[in-house]
Amino acid sequence: QVQLQESGPGLVKPSQTLSLTCSVSGGSVSSGSDYWSWIRQPAGKGLEFIGRIYTKGSTTYNPSLKSRVIISIDKTKNQFSLSLSSVTAADTALYFCARGGWTSFDDWGQGTLVIVSS
Amino acid sequence: DVQMTQSPSSLSASVGDRVTITCQANQDIGNYLNWYQQLPGKAPQLLIYDAFNLKTGVPSRFSGSESGTNFTLTISSLQPEDTGTYFCQHYHGLPPWTFGQGTKVEIK
Repeated sequence: QVQLQESGPGLVKPSQTLSLTCSVSGGSVSSGSDYWSWIRQPAGKGLEFIGRIYTKGSTTYNPSLKSRVIISIDKTKNQFSLSLSSVTAADTALYFCARGGWTSFDDWGQGTLVIVSS
Repeated sequence: DVQMTQSPSSLSASVGDRVTITCQANQDIGNYLNWYQQLPGKAPQLLIYDAFNLKTGVPSRFSGSESGTNFTLTISSLQPEDTGTYFCQHYHGLPPWTFGQGTKVEIK
């Protein structure tokens, strides 16, 4: 089973850029037909799809975040990353990375809490 | 856009009880629905895909069904380890797909 682990700063100042990395083990970000996704969960709330990147490089973003999001893949490190710019308190959430096929999110990381505060 | 309305938002039931959670779509989405379980402090896990197919390793007390735009997750005999939050997720059309708001299941 593929294992995923999120990493990055737990505290980001308003207006700055949130940057997270997902390290993948037990699988490869450059093989197969997998989608590598970022999903977030504000405290006490539901799940929100941020975006995903296909093994071959194409990306899909949530329109509500599209102007601020970049997801990229680093095949040499077997990682993929999230960059979310111009953050506000509304971006405070538990951020998950996940692997899946076209329709589901099959394997998830444990999540990393990001707080936006000055 | 497809909107999913999940209910109830929380429930409390006794061990051994039959529990049902519902997601209603605002349009026909076929059987394009998944269910996830999120145990306390853990990441979500895929339980059921395509509305009623159990992921390998998921106990048989879990089941999914579909009737029109209504989808149901049933736990036939609630166990203490089932405590957590359950989410539905549709995949009708192109992404991004949305999740239901979640149902928190507790043991009485």
